[in-house]
Amino acid sequence: DAGITQSPRHKVTETGTPVTLRCHQTENHRYMYWYRQDPGHGLRLIHYSYGVKDTDKGEVSDGYSVSRSKTEDFLLTLESATSSQTSVYFCAISEGVGAFQPQHFGDGTRLSIL
Amino acid sequence: DQQVKQNSPSLSVQEGRISILNCDYTNSMFDYFLWYKKYPAEGPTFLISISSIKDKNEDGRFTVFLNKSAKHLSLHIVPSQPGDSAVYFCAASAVRSGYALNFGKGTSLLVTP
Repeated sequence: DAGITQSPRHKVTETGTPVTLRCHQTENHRYMYWYRQDPGHGLRLIHYSYGVKDTDKGEVSDGYSVSRSKTEDFLLTLESATSSQTSVYFCAISEGVGAFQPQHFGDGTRLSIL
Repeated sequence: DQQVKQNSPSLSVQEGRISILNCDYTNSMFDYFLWYKKYPAEGPTFLISISSIKDKNEDGRFTVFLNKSAKHLSLHIVPSQPGDSAVYFCAASAVRSGYALNFGKGTSLLVTP
């Protein structure tokens, strides 16, 4: 299994509060990604990173920010959580250099915003 | 607008028979196509991929076929086993967008004994 740890695994919080989700990898992979999964939508990309301090937006980036100060950690922040951000969040990593390598996923964070 | 579509939400197959899962896409700039398998409360697990310059890739019981002119790919599982019961996601990736994945909505496969 790819060395990906997401924390917390479950979180319940209130509307308007800030929330930070952490993705930690032990593979030294260059690329890291945050997706959300909602019923009827599959997985959708929020943000991704192609190196330390290098990030870019995905399809559903509004209301989210990310930071990557170390290769191994990619943080996803909801500055002011809303009920529409209730979802399951998945982190993924890929080596991203040379030949194509598939992404490998963590086990997800289930976030409920009341 | 969804660029990757899986039009069958569910599929039921008998053990030992072939399972065929289908996927259509709209963006001709995709470079790679992948299939992931997902169990409840777990992250997606990579199954098999295919480059846009190939038309077939095989790995054990899993084969992916790509028809670029039709913008269609399919995953064949032969023979199907009860442990294959899961949700299968088709995904597509482009180099120019950092290999970020565009996912279909998934097909729930049930393999019955």
